[in-house]
Amino acid sequence: GENVEQHPSTLSVQEGDSAVIKCTYSDSASNYFPWYKQELGKRPQLIIDIRSNVGEKKDQRIAVTLNKTAKHFSLHITETRPEDSAVYFCAASPSGNQFYFGTGTSLTVIP
Amino acid sequence: EAQVTQNPRYLITVTGKKLTVTCSQNMNHEYMSWYRQDPGLGLRQIYYSMNVEVTDKGDVPEGYKVSRKEKRNFPLILESPSPNQTSLYFCAVRQGAGGELFFGEGSRLTVL
Repeated sequence: GENVEQHPSTLSVQEGDSAVIKCTYSDSASNYFPWYKQELGKRPQLIIDIRSNVGEKKDQRIAVTLNKTAKHFSLHITETRPEDSAVYFCAASPSGNQFYFGTGTSLTVIP
Repeated sequence: EAQVTQNPRYLITVTGKKLTVTCSQNMNHEYMSWYRQDPGLGLRQIYYSMNVEVTDKGDVPEGYKVSRKEKRNFPLILESPSPNQTSLYFCAVRQGAGGELFFGEGSRLTVL
């Protein structure tokens, strides 16, 4: 099956700086790559996603890039704010039915 | 308002005592799925269902059963729980074909 690796596991940045989280996947059949944010004690919520026919997608301060050849995708958060502090999960899906998640990145934004 | 409702939200039980975690949606989505979340392991898919009476194994189905007799409900059954099933469980629906997962609030299960 698919194997998704996520780095780093923890990340601390100063408010206003950028944060980058990277994921790799193993199954070339994966074609959907969502990112979820989970605040403490809450459910995961989708923040951005990208499909394999697109190389980059941006939504305000959040962007995701995908390199199909290298099988890696990254989340970029610019101008970070304290409310960006949370655990972020990447995922890969080869079918839209099976989802494989990374192990998570705990992001802390220091005011 | 879209809702995915899980019950119970918290449960402490003992080894071997059968339990069911219910999941109900009010959005008429065909796809529903179950995940467990463990520290350092992220979210792992247990089972998913593409429609009524159609279920399939995810990445970690051992020790679990599911059923999908109605579109709105997708219960997770632990026939004989063991301590290694202590975890935080999430039910999710998929909004549209290949679309985003919308998660329930989670059910924290402890098996002693």
